[in-house]
Amino acid sequence: KAGVTQTPRYLIKTRGQQVTLSCSPISGHRSVSWYQQTPGQGLQFLFEYFSETQRNKGNFPGRFSGRQFSNSRSEMNVSTLELGDSALYLCASSLDLAPYNEQFFGPGTRLTVL
Amino acid sequence: AQKVTQAQTEISVVEKEDVTLDCVYETRDTTYYLFWYKQPPSGELVFLIRRNSFDEQNEISGRYSWNFQKSTSSFNFTITASQVVDSAVYFCALSDSHGSGNTGKLIFGQGTTLQVKP
Repeated sequence: KAGVTQTPRYLIKTRGQQVTLSCSPISGHRSVSWYQQTPGQGLQFLFEYFSETQRNKGNFPGRFSGRQFSNSRSEMNVSTLELGDSALYLCASSLDLAPYNEQFFGPGTRLTVL
Repeated sequence: AQKVTQAQTEISVVEKEDVTLDCVYETRDTTYYLFWYKQPPSGELVFLIRRNSFDEQNEISGRYSWNFQKSTSSFNFTITASQVVDSAVYFCALSDSHGSGNTGKLIFGQGTTLQVKP
């Protein structure tokens, strides 16, 4: 079974631009979550999606948004990029929405904002 | 409030030494789940173990073992006879419903970087 895939793997953008990151979950998984990893803040929850609906959101500004499609694939968007948005963005998928589920993580997208 | 604390930022050991990674958590829920993940240099988080709050039985898997103690809110991870391939960042994480219904949201600790030298 293929794992979670994320594209692109690396991105370089400049301040003020916007970016879209993509995540394809494991086949059969219906829940997708996004996390931001930085050296200073560690791993922080961004949002989670299930059945094309955002079910939970972390403490991030409105510049961070996302969506989930009917095939469970998910995208996240960051508008008006700031230097502090430079991070590794990790996507995770699980069978459904429950705290006991194992989350399967993708390799991440490393975003650098110049 | 939910919180996970991994007080050890970095640990360095010599191959074949035993090493314990500490994890302390906070939650108001009586039902919760604890996880350990490994993050090798490639960046992908790899699941190691899950524990629910009602099962305090310790678990051993090969060279890995986990000690869950609700009385001290700790979920420590021990690697016996460490190997160079164990070098990675290890994260402890907590998941509970925190009154919001079903969610898979993970609260991560800051991570412990383990370096195993040959």
